[in-house]
Amino acid sequence: DSGVTQTPKHLITATGQRVTLRCSPRSGDLSVYWYQQSLDQGLQFLIQYYNGEERAKGNILERFSAQQFPDLHSELNLSSLELGDSALYFCASSVDNRGYGYTFGSGTRLTVV
Amino acid sequence: AQSVTQLDSQVPVFEEAPVELRCNYSSSVSVYLFWYVQYPNQGLQLLLKYLSGSTLVKSINGFEAEFNKSQTSFHLRKPSVHISDTAEYFCAVSENNAGNMLTFGGGTRLMVKP
Repeated sequence: DSGVTQTPKHLITATGQRVTLRCSPRSGDLSVYWYQQSLDQGLQFLIQYYNGEERAKGNILERFSAQQFPDLHSELNLSSLELGDSALYFCASSVDNRGYGYTFGSGTRLTVV
Repeated sequence: AQSVTQLDSQVPVFEEAPVELRCNYSSSVSVYLFWYVQYPNQGLQLLLKYLSGSTLVKSINGFEAEFNKSQTSFHLRKPSVHISDTAEYFCAVSENNAGNMLTFGGGTRLMVKP
């Protein structure tokens, strides 16, 4: 157990729908990072939050959004889902804003049918 | 922009043989370098990292990697592999003036055969 908790582990939904993925960081970690892992794109950085504020943005689609709450858990919202959004979505956390190596959760596997 | 190339998508090797997984990166600034391992149906685990200092870094399970600035490489090696080392290995880089974002290579699947 890495200490980073992601729920749900698996999610199957239809095209056009909206889903929310949840992440609880390791105790004491202030930064949360979201990554997407797909067969064609590999591991892609989506977005980072530090202590409730957005700090860095990567290849995140406009249909996707995220936030970090006062208790430091984070949610990734995916809307108007397409077949190509099927992927593993990982959350990672670190104690500071410097990213000296993250701790990853076990991921949420999203299947869009 | 930074990028990472893992030259081999798959590396088959027999148990107890040595292995090297290759990683090259490109960046216009100083970088931090990482190797992560992903076992089947699991998340990524940090194997080792180079931030500064000695260019040879080691993990607790016998892997080591050497940062070579002139070659822009960070190859991962193990002198004798075990069946349990079968996994996907990812090299990653972050630019150390803003180390938030990790850029990952495409991964190398290490397949250890008995």
